[in-house]
Amino acid sequence: EVQLVQSAAEVKKPGESLKISCKASGYVFTDHWIGWVRQMPGKGLESVGIIHPYDSDTTYSPSFQGQVTISVDKSINVAYLQWSSLQASDTAMYYCVRRGRDCSGRSCFSRNFDSWGQGTLITVSS
Amino acid sequence: DIVMTQSPDSLAVSLGERATINCKSSQTILYNSNNKNYLAWYQQKPGQPPKVLIYWASTRESGVPDRFSGSGSGTDFTLTIDSLQAEDVAIYYCQQYHSNPYSFGQGTKLEIK
Repeated sequence: EVQLVQSAAEVKKPGESLKISCKASGYVFTDHWIGWVRQMPGKGLESVGIIHPYDSDTTYSPSFQGQVTISVDKSINVAYLQWSSLQASDTAMYYCVRRGRDCSGRSCFSRNFDSWGQGTLITVSS
Repeated sequence: DIVMTQSPDSLAVSLGERATINCKSSQTILYNSNNKNYLAWYQQKPGQPPKVLIYWASTRESGVPDRFSGSGSGTDFTLTIDSLQAEDVAIYYCQQYHSNPYSFGQGTKLEIK
């Protein structure tokens, strides 16, 4: 069974740094893209970015480029999302997601986010 | 960037009736190399992460009741819920995974009339 288990909720002050984690299990970690989705309070879903654990190829949504850093440690099957200087506007629930993959013969196509973590609530307040 | 627009923003349907949610992409999300539409539907209930219902525009995720169906191609897509049940009350999102950023629609809130 695929599982994405995220780190606990955090309360931070503006300007502080933070790194949250997502531990993957139940599949070959280096076979699937893994990423992050933001949901601000009472709002919709926004894709933050995605990384391939095999080679750390990373793509950020333009809105998040330069604002966060996504990384992985493939030796322990963990993905990370980090901020160097938090702002109040970073207050949100962050979900870790796995991108599914359909293979037929020798061809594979990445598809939607087929597994979601339970979410990590980040609160930034002075 | 591809913009996803859902309609309506909210919907109230009687138990046992049909609910229809539309999703329009600002450009085609049909990928020529595999002739698949890169469109998924998710259901989110309060306090829970989203759950996948449909991918490739019309493929139902394992374990999803067959009253949920997806249709459409190119830029126009529909999620249909037949015989609405009380447990279907939720917010529904479409998402394109054709091009980064993998954008979501704004969500449609489904309630019981």
